[in-house]
Amino acid sequence: SQKIEQNSEALNIQEGKTATLTCNYTNYSPAYLQWYRQDPGRGPVFLLLIRENEKEKRKERLKVTFDTTLKQSLFHITASQPADSATYLCALDNLDANKLIFGTGTLLAVQP
Amino acid sequence: DARVTQTPRHKVTEMGQEVTMRCQPILGHNTVFWYRQTMMQGLELLAYFRNRAPLDDSGMPKDRFSAEMPDATLATLKIQPSEPRDSAVYFCASGFSRGADTYEQYFGPGTRLTVT
Repeated sequence: SQKIEQNSEALNIQEGKTATLTCNYTNYSPAYLQWYRQDPGRGPVFLLLIRENEKEKRKERLKVTFDTTLKQSLFHITASQPADSATYLCALDNLDANKLIFGTGTLLAVQP
Repeated sequence: DARVTQTPRHKVTEMGQEVTMRCQPILGHNTVFWYRQTMMQGLELLAYFRNRAPLDDSGMPKDRFSAEMPDATLATLKIQPSEPRDSAVYFCASGFSRGADTYEQYFGPGTRLTVT
């Protein structure tokens, strides 16, 4: 069966450390993978997109890797801040590039 | 600052009643999506439109849900009759398609629906 798995337990880290979130998928062959941030009571906000032929993408303190052999994406936030605390969702396309399938998200809590 | 807007933000209704949710996509975006989010199922795609035409509504319960785009500035999602299991947060998102694909999606604030 098809699955997208993200750490179901909350990730607690200390301010200034690097947060690493994992997204694993099974029985999908995505052309690209996206990461979104969601704050309580709000809609998801797009952060980064990485294509299947890209190994790594960076944007300011964010870095995403995409390993199609391992079927895994890693999302890193360097020099984390309490303001980075949120739920982070990964999403991938399912044959139709317009149809995003979302993971259930990982709650990140950055302690001051 | 262009944003997707949704109304109402909260809706409490009784089982059997009709519910209509509205969305104004970002001006210039040609693709509109409807999602439902629950704790159990997460974020699920219900339907999406390209240039106001419905392209896929396979995620939507057809017997009670309907989605339309009367014009480029308005998308609607209707539930009739509503049931308690429809209780969820409904998000609208819009994006701009380059060729056949839409990449980043911009989400509205959601409509929190409670059916009693």
